[in-house]
Amino acid sequence: GENVEQHPSTLSVQEGDSAVIKCTYSDSASNYFPWYKQELGKGPQLIIDIRSNVGEKKDQRIAVTLNKTAKHFSLHITETQPEDSAVYFCAASYGSGNTGKLIFGQGTTLQVKP
Amino acid sequence: NAGVTQTPKFQVLKTGQSMTLQCAQDMNHNSMYWYRQDPGMGLRLIYYSASEGTTDKGEVPNGYNVSRLNKREFSLRLESAAPSQTSVYFCASSEPAGPPPGQFFGPGTRLTVL
Repeated sequence: GENVEQHPSTLSVQEGDSAVIKCTYSDSASNYFPWYKQELGKGPQLIIDIRSNVGEKKDQRIAVTLNKTAKHFSLHITETQPEDSAVYFCAASYGSGNTGKLIFGQGTTLQVKP
Repeated sequence: NAGVTQTPKFQVLKTGQSMTLQCAQDMNHNSMYWYRQDPGMGLRLIYYSASEGTTDKGEVPNGYNVSRLNKREFSLRLESAAPSQTSVYFCASSEPAGPPPGQFFGPGTRLTVL
């Protein structure tokens, strides 16, 4: 079945450094790849997304890259700040029709040390 | 706009009891989803509703039922709760064809089954 693998499961960086989280997906028909940030006790919040016809998208300090051939996509956070500390999830669309269904990776706990 | 709201926030049940988790969205989205989140397993789709009047199973539907009451509301029912259903439950909504296509999540319901 469809699957999304996310690495690493935990990531610790110094404030100001960059952080990279990587995901691979199995369904070659997937065409939409969002990233979510989840703070403790809250629901996931969409932070950036990319469609399959684009290789890279940037929004201030965060960027996402997509390699459809290799079925890889990555989240890049530059100049990390303590408030970036959270759990990050990647996801990929799946299923026929326009249902908006997503399959999620297992999550990465990012800790930014001041 | 409140976005996606869920009630209750916390619930403790005994094995065999039933309950309904409520979800409502005010973004006029067509699609709604129920997920469960367990440690180390990311978010898994229980049921979804692509549009008002339709529902379909996700990855882990066993032990659950849903009702799409109208365009705004999507409820999840546990008929006979089991300890394996102890989890955090999230409702989400989206407009798959519209910008942005991402799912928007509620704050979650933390359920414990004793």
